[in-house]
Amino acid sequence: SQTIHQWPATLVQPVGSPLSLECTVEGTSNPNLYWYRQAAGRGLQLLFYSVGIGQISSEVPQNLSASRPQDRQFILSSKKLLLSDSGFYLCAWSLGGGQPQHFGDGTRLSIL
Amino acid sequence: TQLLEQSPQFLSIQEGENLTVYCNSSSVFSSLQWYRQEPGEGPVLLVTVVTGGEVKKLKRLTFQFGDARKDSSLHITAAQPGDTGLYLCAGANGGATNKLIFGTGTLLAVQP
Repeated sequence: SQTIHQWPATLVQPVGSPLSLECTVEGTSNPNLYWYRQAAGRGLQLLFYSVGIGQISSEVPQNLSASRPQDRQFILSSKKLLLSDSGFYLCAWSLGGGQPQHFGDGTRLSIL
Repeated sequence: TQLLEQSPQFLSIQEGENLTVYCNSSSVFSSLQWYRQEPGEGPVLLVTVVTGGEVKKLKRLTFQFGDARKDSSLHITAAQPGDTGLYLCAGANGGATNKLIFGTGTLLAVQP
């Protein structure tokens, strides 16, 4: 069966520091991968998605970037965090063609 | 820009009551998914509806996809405290990217 792992679960970082959040998927090949941000009690905003190694599409202009160095690894990064980058970040995977997305347990990022 | 509006935004009810959550859009989707999310965790898929007018039942939960595939509803019968959580609808346009448009969310609290 397929599993998705995100880490860390929580992170507290000072303004201006770098960021690296990692997501890995097991049990499937060539999945679509997604990064979302979620405000408390609200829906999910798609930040990035990837349909293959090295292929990254950005949905909204922002202070973050994403990379996919391996088939089942998706990384969310920033060189200098802003206060507005605080939030709950979720990674998801799916197969194409209308298949549902499956989510990791998220990372709670707090910027001080 | 495609939007999915959910109503109500918040709902607090007593155990045993019935409720309906609505998910509305002016856009047509190839399929629509419902997720439930608990605090500090990722959303978990409940159901996918694909055909206009389709009705799916999952124990006490009944999901309906509108005839025009622009809206959906979730009805819970005899709600229980375990139903508490954030309910999210998400519309899909299919295709290779399989991107989802998430609704604004409905936060449900079922009091014992």
